[in-house]
Amino acid sequence: EVQLVESGGGLVQPGGSLRLSCAASGFTFSSYSMNWVRQAPGKGLEWVSYISSSSSTIYYADSVKGRFTISRDNAKNSLYLQMNSLRDEDTAVYYCARGRPVGATLFDYWGQGTLVTVSS
Amino acid sequence: SYVLTQPPSVSVAPGQTARITCGGNNIGSKSVHWYQQKPGQAPVLVVYDDSDRPSGIPERFSGSNSGNTATLTISRVEAGDEADYYCQVWDSSSDHPGVFGGGTKLTVL
Repeated sequence: EVQLVESGGGLVQPGGSLRLSCAASGFTFSSYSMNWVRQAPGKGLEWVSYISSSSSTIYYADSVKGRFTISRDNAKNSLYLQMNSLRDEDTAVYYCARGRPVGATLFDYWGQGTLVTVSS
Repeated sequence: SYVLTQPPSVSVAPGQTARITCGGNNIGSKSVHWYQQKPGQAPVLVVYDDSDRPSGIPERFSGSNSGNTATLTISRVEAGDEADYYCQVWDSSSDHPGVFGGGTKLTVL
């Protein structure tokens, strides 16, 4: 059974940093691209970042480019999101989501999400 | 960047057919995926690559895509189908390729 479990969310002040983690199990993690998707309170889904299976290709949404860094450790079956210079508008539930092995991706499995609150 | 447009809400009586649209420029040339999200839960993929269903998704859920509009069709709607639905594409020509529609709230009357 595919499982994705996020952790690392919490309350942080504007301008602060936070590192999210996603532990994957039930599939060959190193064969799949991975993504972060967020959802602000009462709002829709927003794709945040993508990393290919080998980490050779990385994309970011314009809203987080230059502030967030996605990474993965295939030996530990883990996905990460380093978030710096956090803003109020980054407040959201952050989901990790599995993509396809290669090519244009969808999100076929999701974690339960971790809440990030940016507030003074 | 690529934009997907969904109606904010759709209402349907139980047993009827719900159709949720997703508009985008020449969206028929892209693969469209649909997600269902119930309150307090993570999204669930219900249709992928325009019209395929993941295992475990009822046949009542179907999709189509042509021209500038993709459509998610839910036949014989049940109370349990009440949820938010999002369309999504991957814009491979962009350096920020992940795109979601704004979401549609399906209300079962």
